[in-house]
Amino acid sequence: AQTVTQSQPEMSVQEAETVTLSCTYDTSESNYYLFWYKQPPSRQMILVIRQEAYKQQNATENRFSVNFQKAAKSFSLKISDSQLGDTAMYFCAFMKPPGGAGNMLTFGGGTRLMVKP
Amino acid sequence: GAVVSQHPSWVICKSGTSVKIECRSLDFQATTMFWYRQFPKQSLMLMATSNEGSKATYEQGVEKDKFLINHASLTLSTLTVTSAHPEDSSFYICSASPGTGVNTEAFFGQGTRLTVV
Repeated sequence: AQTVTQSQPEMSVQEAETVTLSCTYDTSESNYYLFWYKQPPSRQMILVIRQEAYKQQNATENRFSVNFQKAAKSFSLKISDSQLGDTAMYFCAFMKPPGGAGNMLTFGGGTRLMVKP
Repeated sequence: GAVVSQHPSWVICKSGTSVKIECRSLDFQATTMFWYRQFPKQSLMLMATSNEGSKATYEQGVEKDKFLINHASLTLSTLTVTSAHPEDSSFYICSASPGTGVNTEAFFGQGTRLTVV
């Protein structure tokens, strides 16, 4: 079974600054997918960024980027130029390779991020 | 992106009654849907995998007779909480994907806040 660990329950950052959220995972799979999801106060889950394990290049989406270290099983999220709208719960998630169980996600415990003006 | 609609957004019911929550994929067909439960300030915990035309697969510790799942069509899965009790109060979220693999993103419903009084 896969496990996903987020060691930072809460974090805060000043508006316009950069913050990094940590995530580690454990799996015996060689190919898999990793995600960061955002859950704002509305509680709607929103995909922030995804990474395919067989790709060495770190994924980026505008102000969001990841540092994927496969050997260390680490997958951190960097948010640059933080905005007030980034305030939310952030979940790191692991997905089994396709064909196994659809697109079932295993979530970490979450990190509550507060962006301060 | 694709849309998953969950209804109702919130419901209050009396202890001992049953409550049905619907999850619909509005613009795609989903052979597999997932039901999650989220306690306040906690992560999403997978309850069960809903399979169209067959029985749901429940995670360990989830009572299948308590949480009835029906996936009668490719666009609708329902979760019925039977004989609800206050400890069943929680936030329930469904997700679905147009297909398998990371290129088919997992889309989430808006969630349902269940309060049992």
